[in-house]
Amino acid sequence: NAGVTQTPKFRVLKTGQSMTLLCAQDMNHEYMYWYRQDPGMGLRLIHYSVGEGTTAKGEVPDGYNVSRLKKQNFLLGLESAAPSQTSVYFCASSYSPEMGTNEKLFFGSGTQLSVL
Amino acid sequence: AQSVTQLGSHVSVSEGALVLLRCNYSSSVPPYLFWYVQYPNQGLQLLLKYTTGATLVKGINGFEAEFKKSETSFHLTKPSAHMSDAAEYFCAVRRGFQKLVFGTGTRLLVSP
Repeated sequence: NAGVTQTPKFRVLKTGQSMTLLCAQDMNHEYMYWYRQDPGMGLRLIHYSVGEGTTAKGEVPDGYNVSRLKKQNFLLGLESAAPSQTSVYFCASSYSPEMGTNEKLFFGSGTQLSVL
Repeated sequence: AQSVTQLGSHVSVSEGALVLLRCNYSSSVPPYLFWYVQYPNQGLQLLLKYTTGATLVKGINGFEAEFKKSETSFHLTKPSAHMSDAAEYFCAVRRGFQKLVFGTGTRLLVSP
């Protein structure tokens, strides 16, 4: 069981370049999340989705876009990368309706992104 | 809105010593509280959670936490630290049904 898989694991971009981070989960979870982790700031929610075809803004959505065309995939896009977006990005998923609770997030192993 | 504050960005202990990581919460409603652990180069894993019921919660790897409403605290403890406990620990509170809000994290350093 793979759980939550993120690709790529590392990426270096130049300012102004674009890229897409892919998150895939095989647990039939309804909810998916994108967080960024920065030193001294913990994890901050960028965007999230409560089901296929839905997205919502989190705490720090500016400069990012997301899409959830398929239930198992959640894509995070940077249209014009900036040095301030240098961070470690984590995808997470949760909530199976058959369990009826939403008490545990399952995390991917992260993407280290550097914007020069 | 619900939030958590972790006191101390770094905590150093000797192997075999007591581990105490502090977390205080702010919530206008009964909170759902969590501790997650992050080992180097990995994602976060759930250590334990408090939802309702017993205020002393036991988690994996010998960790436990006690919900104290009067002190608005949810501190994480382990009686005897092991080298393998070295990691970063995050306290979190659930905001609404869908979202978790994380603290800034505490890095635990364990020396021989």
